[in-house]
Amino acid sequence: DTAVSQTPKYLVTQMGNDKSIKCEQNLGHDTMYWYKQDSKKFLKIMFSYNNKELIINETVPNRFSPKSPDKAHLNLHINSLELGDSAVYFCASSQDPGGTSVSTDTQYFGPGTRLTVL
Amino acid sequence: AQTVTQSQPEMSVQEAETVTLSCTYDTSESDYYLFWYKQPPSRQMILVIRQEAYKQQNATENRFSVNFQKAAKSFSLKISDSQLGDAAMYFCALNGAGNMLTFGGGTRLMVKP
Repeated sequence: DTAVSQTPKYLVTQMGNDKSIKCEQNLGHDTMYWYKQDSKKFLKIMFSYNNKELIINETVPNRFSPKSPDKAHLNLHINSLELGDSAVYFCASSQDPGGTSVSTDTQYFGPGTRLTVL
Repeated sequence: AQTVTQSQPEMSVQEAETVTLSCTYDTSESDYYLFWYKQPPSRQMILVIRQEAYKQQNATENRFSVNFQKAAKSFSLKISDSQLGDAAMYFCALNGAGNMLTFGGGTRLMVKP
C-alpha cells in the first residue's frame, strides 16, 4: 500500500491556467507538507499544515494555496501559473502535530508531481 | 534562518568501496534533528538515516553511518561497501520550527562497477 500518494504524476499546462495537485496519506499522520524541487534539484519547503495551524514559507507567492478537506489530504492549488512554477512538487507527512516547536518525527514523501508550464 | 550546505555537487566511488558525503549546517535551535535522504532516478525521496542532535552517539543503519560533529556543525554520511543501487542524489536536511525541513543542494553519487 502506498503511504503518501500524489496525483497526477505529470502535469503539463499553459501559462495563466489554474491547477491543483492532490496528496493523500494513509499513515494516520497529523501534519502534511508541500515542497518544491527546482530544475537544479534544490528542495524548498512551501507549507506545513495540520488541522490547527498553517505555516507558510514567506517566499511562497500567494498564488499558491493549500487546501485540506480532511486530515488525510492536503491539496495544492496554484492560480495564474507562470513559467517559473515549473518544478517537481513533493507532498510529505509526519506523525507529530507540528506547530512552531521543533519536531522529532521523520517525514515521509510522496512520489512527486512534475509540473511543466508552457 | 537555517542553512544547510553540501559542498560536493558530485562524487564517485568504486563498487564495494567506501565513500563519505559532506554536510555542514547552521541553526539557532538548541535541539534539532538531521537527516540524509536519497533520491534515485525514480525521484522518490527515501530516508537513509537520522540523527538527534542531543545524542552524542553517531547513528548507523546497516552500511550507512554518520559522523556528527555538533560543535563544528558537521554531519557527514559514510556509505560502506558501496553498491550499484546506491547511485542517487543524496540530500542532507535539518528540521526546524513546524518540522519544516531545510535541505542542502544535494550530492550526486555515482557508483562505478
